[in-house]
Amino acid sequence: DIQLTQSPSFLSASVGDRVTITCRASQGISSYLAWYQQKPGKAPKLLIYAASTLQSGVPSRFSGSGSGTEFTLTISSLQPEDFATYYCQQLNSYLFGPGTKVDIK
Amino acid sequence: QVQLQESGPGLVKPSQTLSLTCTVSGGSISSGGYYWSWIRQHPGKGLEWIGYIYYSGSTYYNPSLKSRVTISVDTSKNQFSLKLSSVTAADTAVYYCARDLHYYDSSGYYRGVFDYWGQGTLVTVSS
Repeated sequence: DIQLTQSPSFLSASVGDRVTITCRASQGISSYLAWYQQKPGKAPKLLIYAASTLQSGVPSRFSGSGSGTEFTLTISSLQPEDFATYYCQQLNSYLFGPGTKVDIK
Repeated sequence: QVQLQESGPGLVKPSQTLSLTCTVSGGSISSGGYYWSWIRQHPGKGLEWIGYIYYSGSTYYNPSLKSRVTISVDTSKNQFSLKLSSVTAADTAVYYCARDLHYYDSSGYYRGVFDYWGQGTLVTVSS
């Protein structure tokens, strides 16, 4: 079975920072990856799918890249509303990564 | 704007069956290309996909839960439902329903793109 890992598990950052979160798959998954943002007490929100396609309505400061086994979610300039937990998900297998919590420094 | 809303008991006794319904508004559950999924999140933990259904009634379940899960659809009410049998405390979680986009492009066939979610409902299993 494919395993997903995310790094870091937790990161502390400031408004305006460039933030990068990595998701690694235990075997190649082409571009079958999505990214979600979840705030406390709320449902996850789709940010990116097919590794790099920005979901409609999501700010352009979010971007995704990668293929195969290594993927990244980048927030180019962190905004106050971006403090949340981020999950990667392997499409087709429906497996989610363990999450990365982005907190205020 | 598509909206999804979960409903059902918030407390279920051990060994009983958990039953939830998701009502879809702002769009038809019979729209082609869209499947309808249930996902859960244990308190303070990550996300676990439970299964999906198409408006035709075809289903696909997480193998780890398959023996206890039934998902059904009522197109006349624009609803789909989850039943999870023989529950234990380990089934205590927030349960979400979500729209599940499946599509083809030049790279292949994609499924599991959850573009709309319900707000979630906490189900506690306790006597």
